[in-house]
Amino acid sequence: DVKVTQSSRYLVKRTGEKVFLECVQDMDHENMFWYRQDPGLGLRLIYFSYDVKMKEKGDIPEGYSVSREKKERFSLILESASTNQTSMYLCASSLTSGGLAKNIQYFGAGTRLSVL
Amino acid sequence: DAKTTQPPSMDCAEGRAANLPCNHSTISGNEYVYWYRQIHSQGPQYIIHGLKNNETNEMASLIITEDRKSSTLILPHATLRDTAVYYCIVRVAKAAGNKLTFGGGTRVLVKP
Repeated sequence: DVKVTQSSRYLVKRTGEKVFLECVQDMDHENMFWYRQDPGLGLRLIYFSYDVKMKEKGDIPEGYSVSREKKERFSLILESASTNQTSMYLCASSLTSGGLAKNIQYFGAGTRLSVL
Repeated sequence: DAKTTQPPSMDCAEGRAANLPCNHSTISGNEYVYWYRQIHSQGPQYIIHGLKNNETNEMASLIITEDRKSSTLILPHATLRDTAVYYCIVRVAKAAGNKLTFGGGTRVLVKP
């Protein structure tokens, strides 16, 4: 079974802190994603990566950065946390097979971040 | 991605089959139907997908009508752990960077 592990289930941080959210997948997937999920707004893509050291902005990248130094690990960084970044953060990974992604994304359990 | 329409909620008795409908009347020939679910406070979970033919796996069955304008996800013997929001998504399989966009989904409550 594919396993996507997020480092924390719950985090509480102060405004202005630098926050690191870590995600590790164990299935050698090329693609990795960071989403945030808020009530009434659904899933929104922050960043994704299709290879080591490669990253692409999603729909809401402002205030975030990412790092992918190893294939299995994708980190989301909040440079200076703000209260409007309080949210559920979800990491996902997927395989690219024969040049076509199968659209099957495997998600971690999520990190519920509260910024006070 | 084609638009999908799902009922907002439905109840199901434990042990009975749950049939979740999804309307996707504008689906294109190269678009697949995918189903995910999200149990409360957890990440979404992939269930099944199909193009034309009916599909079955250990979790569920997917029935797609011949004209492909609608489909039904069947949970054959619903358990309390199947209580979740179920999302039907229609999209092409293409290169990296496919963000997932969930609509409202169907909130399924399995009752004892």
